[in-house]
Amino acid sequence: GIQVEQSPPDLILQEGANSTLRCNFSDSVNNLQWFHQNPWGQLINLFYIPSGTKQNGRLSATTVATERYSLLYISSSQTTDSGVYFCAVRAYSGAGSYQLTFGKGTKLSVIP
Amino acid sequence: DTGVSQNPRHKITKRGQNVTFRCDPISEHNRLYWYRQTLGQGPEFLTYFQNEAQLEKSRLLSDRFSAERPKGSFSTLEIQRTEQGDSAMYLCASSLIRGGSYEQYFGPGTRLTVT
Repeated sequence: GIQVEQSPPDLILQEGANSTLRCNFSDSVNNLQWFHQNPWGQLINLFYIPSGTKQNGRLSATTVATERYSLLYISSSQTTDSGVYFCAVRAYSGAGSYQLTFGKGTKLSVIP
Repeated sequence: DTGVSQNPRHKITKRGQNVTFRCDPISEHNRLYWYRQTLGQGPEFLTYFQNEAQLEKSRLLSDRFSAERPKGSFSTLEIQRTEQGDSAMYLCASSLIRGGSYEQYFGPGTRLTVT
């Protein structure tokens, strides 16, 4: 099946700093989502971005499907940005259907 | 739009007992998915429904796991004869397949602890 690799696995930032999280995937995908998992376990949708660039406030994302990667940019980080960021790709599962496959996540800690 | 809801939020059970979790999707969504998440990992797909039809179940972890969506609305996930290795967060998601979009929205999860 498809492999999804996220980097870095852990990231510590000073409040106000910027960061870039990366997601590489091993095969063609027909969509990609970024999520933020808060300390209570809730997955919050950040972007649905099969290709191109989107922005939402201090966050933006870019997916280059032909080169099999996506980037999530966080600017002017705040302590509330702390948590785990997951990339998930929709690809053929090999069992007759297309399913979301998640990476292992990037754990972000923003310190005051 | 009240989001995806899951009940219970936490479940502690003894090894060998059966447990059942419920998921209520976003009301107009026609697809419903179940995932399992263990510590330090991303969610892992288990099964999904389109309306009441279960279209993919080969990824269920064993024959002790089963899921239903009897009327195409809420769904239940049952684990029979629980084992300590079943301890995990069980997540439900839903989506509306429209215009080529397959964006999934997740519930808060049910955290299962098997003692």
